Amino acid sequence: RKEVEQDPGPFNVPEGATVAFNCTYSNSASQSFFWYRQDCRKEPKLLMSVYSSGNEDGRFTAQLNRASQYISLLIRDSKLSDSATYLCVVPLSGGYQKVTFGIGTKLQVIP
Amino acid sequence: NAGVTQTPKFQVLKTGQSMTLQCAQDMNHNSMYWYRQDPGMGLRLIYYSASEGTTDKGEVPNGYNVSRLNKREFSLRLESAAPSQTSVYFCASTVRTNQPQHFGDGTRLSIL
Repeated sequence: RKEVEQDPGPFNVPEGATVAFNCTYSNSASQSFFWYRQDCRKEPKLLMSVYSSGNEDGRFTAQLNRASQYISLLIRDSKLSDSATYLCVVPLSGGYQKVTFGIGTKLQVIP
Repeated sequence: NAGVTQTPKFQVLKTGQSMTLQCAQDMNHNSMYWYRQDPGMGLRLIYYSASEGTTDKGEVPNGYNVSRLNKREFSLRLESAAPSQTSVYFCASTVRTNQPQHFGDGTRLSIL
C-alpha cells in the first residue's frame, strides 16, 4: 500500500456543487495531516491542517477517520476559483523529518 | 514578508553543465526540503535538512548534492546536469515535522 493515496481525478463539477475528495494513508501513527492547494505550475499553498477529528474553514471541511485511515476534504458551493489540484500531506512519524505528498486530486469547476 | 525565496526562477542549461539552486527562509524554521515535481507526478523529495548542520537523502537524491549553509539557507547543486533533471524544483521549510511546510515559488529548470 502506498504511504498516501489520492484519486488523481479530474473531478469536473458545476459551479455551486458540493464535492469531496478522500486521501488514504498507511502509517497509523501519523498525528497530523494537511491539505494543500496547487494551481498549475505554482507552489503548493496550505489550505487546511487537521490535528484531531477535523477542521472547518468557511466552505471547506476536512475530516479525519483514524479507524479507516483516511482524511477527506469537502468543498461546498464550489466556485470557479476553486479549480486547482488538492494535495494530501501526511508527515511521517518516528522522528523522521519527512512528509509524504499525495499525487493530488485535480478539480475543475465548470460554469 | 518574504517567507521562502528561491533563485533563480528560470534556468536553461546544457547537458553536463553545473549549477546551484538557492533557497533562503526568514521564518526561523529548523527543517528545510528540496522537492522536484514532474508532469503527472507528485512532489518527490530530493534531500532534506532536519536542522542546521544535518542533511539526509530523500526519495530521488541521485545526481544532486545539498548544503545547509546556515539556519536560513539550503542550496541544491547539480554537478553534471542531465535532461532527466528537467523539472520544477521547490524548496520548503517548516518549524517541525508536524507543522505545515511553506514553499518557495519554484525554479523551472530545463536541460537541453
